[in-house]
This record gives sequence, structure tokens and C-alpha cells, in this order.
Amino acid sequence: DAGVTQTPRHEVAEKGQTIILKCEPVSGHNDLFWYRQTKIQGLELLSYFRSKSLMEDGGAFKDRFKAEMLNSSFSTLKIQPTEPKDSAVYLCASSWDSQNTLYFGAGTRLSVL
Amino acid sequence: GDKVKQSPSALSLQEGTNSALRCNFSIAATTVQWFLQNPRGSLINLFYLVPGTKENGRLKSTFNSKESYSTLHIRDAQLEDSGTYFCAAEANTGNYKYVFGAGTRLKVIA
Repeated sequence: DAGVTQTPRHEVAEKGQTIILKCEPVSGHNDLFWYRQTKIQGLELLSYFRSKSLMEDGGAFKDRFKAEMLNSSFSTLKIQPTEPKDSAVYLCASSWDSQNTLYFGAGTRLSVL
Repeated sequence: GDKVKQSPSALSLQEGTNSALRCNFSIAATTVQWFLQNPRGSLINLFYLVPGTKENGRLKSTFNSKESYSTLHIRDAQLEDSGTYFCAAEANTGNYKYVFGAGTRLKVIA
């Protein structure tokens, strides 16, 4: 089976742009997570879906971050408008359910100028 | 404060030696996962634990839910073990989510 696939691997955006990051979970997994990783804050949860339903929208990230899961095999994370402080690695992970191993994608490195 | 506290924050090991990494939890963790983030940035799952112990090759991990900690033991460290090790605790809330520690940066030297 293919692992978690994230595209693009790298993204450069200007302040104020809209960017969309993509994630394909492991086939058959029911849970999907978006995390942001920075050196200062570490790994922070942005969104969590269970069977395509949004269970957690990440509180502090609500205003400019929107994750969607239109079908069980594809999710997007939209950042609108981008700010320089959004520069980070964005990681997508999936698992079969809450009692199972998390599998991470390789991440998207976002740089906002 | 830190819900998942990892120690040490950084560690340098001679090849062939042993060491232990630790996570302490201030939340009621029900399961724990350990990951290695390699120099390319990929997070690789090492263990998924309910309370108890698991072993895989040179790695051994224990999760003690009553005393709120987990350990990862590395035996006979190899150069390829270098990277950042993260533990993540599943919080015992209605909508489960994993809370990650800040990581332990391990460098194995020849």
C-alpha cells in the first residue's frame, strides 16, 4: 500500500496569497490529521477528521486555516491569507482509527515571504 | 505547561553504546506512540503502546500509565539511529488527539 502522500513538497508564497496543501491518506484509513511543525512550537494539531467529519479544528488556527476532506482519500489545507509566521512544515497523518498507529507523510515545507 | 515533557532534549552517543529516552505526561494518557524524524524530515513510527512493553530489534519501549511516563531504550546505537525522537500521548478526551513532546535530538558518533 502507498503511504501518506503530500503535495507539493515545497511551496513559496508571498504574504497575502492563498495556498492549498494536499494530502492523500493511506488507503482505508478513517482518521486524518493535519499538523504544523516549527522549531519553536514543535508539532501542533491543526485539524482532525474521522470518517471525513471534522472532529477538531485546531482552535487558534481557525481564522485563516481551513481543512477539508471531500472524500475519504483526499484532504486539503487552505491558508488564506498567508503570513510570514505561517512558514513551517505542514504534516499530514492518517490512521485506521483511534487505536492504531499514526502514519505521517513527508510534509510540505512552506515559506512565506 | 508542557503536557508531554521529553528528556533529555539532546543527546550524543558513541556508536555501540546504550541509552534511554523518557517522556513524562501531565495528562491522563491512554496510549503512547514513539517516532523517529530522520534528517530528511520523515516521521517514522517506532512503537504504538498501550500500558506495557514492546521490543523491536535494538529498540525497547515501556509505557507506565499509572506513573505517567514512557521510556525508549536504544541498545548498541548505530549511526543511522541519529535523528529526533518524539513521543506522543493520546489524551483521554472525547475527541481523541495526540499531544507531542518537543523531541530528543540524538546524534550517534563513530
